[in-house]
Amino acid sequence: EAQVTQNPRYLITVTGKKLTVTCSQNMNHEYMSWYRQDPGLGLRQIYYSMNVEVTDKGDVPEGYKVSRKEKRNFPLILESPSPNQTSLYFCASSLGGGAHNEQFFGPGTRLTVL
Amino acid sequence: AQTVTQSQPEMSVQEAETVTLSCTYDTSESDYYLFWYKQPPSRQMILVIRQEAYKQQNATENRFSVNFQKAAKSFSLKISDSQLGDAAMYFCAYRSPRGYNTDKLIFGTGTRLQVFP
Repeated sequence: EAQVTQNPRYLITVTGKKLTVTCSQNMNHEYMSWYRQDPGLGLRQIYYSMNVEVTDKGDVPEGYKVSRKEKRNFPLILESPSPNQTSLYFCASSLGGGAHNEQFFGPGTRLTVL
Repeated sequence: AQTVTQSQPEMSVQEAETVTLSCTYDTSESDYYLFWYKQPPSRQMILVIRQEAYKQQNATENRFSVNFQKAAKSFSLKISDSQLGDAAMYFCAYRSPRGYNTDKLIFGTGTRLQVFP
């Protein structure tokens, strides 16, 4: 089954404790990105990757890091989480470019930083 | 920079009735893509319908249709014969084919739709 998986689905952590949210897709997609969803703000792009070893900032990259060492994986790293990073996070992937290259979203990760 | 505005934080509809969700956007581009996504309580993002700006014909997908007014930069979603399963948060989104980050979606703030029996 074609899908994007994220782990963990729920995470409660404390300020300053490094964490990684994993994202993996099995569709051989070149393009992957991370979004965060906050009430009243919709979804905003954090980082994206056009291919292996090619990553760039989205609209809200502060406090986050990413890496793309393999085509299927695109982890989101919070080196020193803060309470303002409490949010719902989505990973998405697509073939890249064009309306008919549908974006596939993961199930979301609910992160709470105390 | 492009922006997407959903001015209705919440809407409600009776089962079997029709409801229209509004979306406006701002762009200087002539070619772009517009989408409506549904987010049920499971939080999964589900693509409902898409529209390419160069197509004058409004997109339809079963009970879902759009009213795309390019000059007015308006992209509303009409849900006909509403069902209880339509209850969800709906997001309008914009995508530009230009530049490097061509798969980036710019989302509105969402409209929560309630469906009453």
